[in-house]
Amino acid sequence: GAVVSQHPSWVICKSGTSVKIECRSLDFQATTMFWYRQFPKQSLMLMATSNEGSKATYEQGVEKDKFLINHASLTLSTLTVTSAHPEDSSFYICSSAGGAITYEQYFGPGTRLTVT
Amino acid sequence: AQSVTQPDIHITVSEGASLELRCNYSYGATPYLFWYVQSPGQGLQLLLKYFSGDTLVQGIKGFEAEFKRSQSSFNLRKPSVHWSDAAEYFCVATPGTYKYIFGTGTRLKVLA
Repeated sequence: GAVVSQHPSWVICKSGTSVKIECRSLDFQATTMFWYRQFPKQSLMLMATSNEGSKATYEQGVEKDKFLINHASLTLSTLTVTSAHPEDSSFYICSSAGGAITYEQYFGPGTRLTVT
Repeated sequence: AQSVTQPDIHITVSEGASLELRCNYSYGATPYLFWYVQSPGQGLQLLLKYFSGDTLVQGIKGFEAEFKRSQSSFNLRKPSVHWSDAAEYFCVATPGTYKYIFGTGTRLKVLA
């Protein structure tokens, strides 16, 4: 399957600061990327869908001004958590779609964010 | 509403025993179906997928799944579990778009 990387794999930041997470599709051009959030021992919750060159579509209840998503190229999407607070601490996973296999998503390894 | 149900939150099996993880979906038509595995602190790895055709699907790591339209099920099986199979397993469906509907997950524990 296709390879998706995320950077950083873990990050600790202070409350009130912003943190950026990168998601890269390494071996195919991802027309669509997804960002998920996962709480401990729970399933993945879709936060937003981004298409290259257009604004992201956020799921209901997700604050678009807090979770800024940019999908500037077919291989890179970024999630910026602005003015982070402890309740934003979570595991964030991205995925890419648009490869050779229809409707299949390829997941990154995830980023653990801890806000102190 | 479209949904995916994994009835078992936790399953414990002994190493070498057989395994079956249940998955039921609720859709008007046959969705595309996937099983993913997530090891602690890791992303998701695709085990197998069903789009159409043969209803018994073979995957990686010795896993297989059977699609049963009459039961709206897509259960995952493995004849002999290894300690390294301990992880979280997610059944996923999509009605024919890129948007995934996740099951709640089943946490597998393997006893030595």
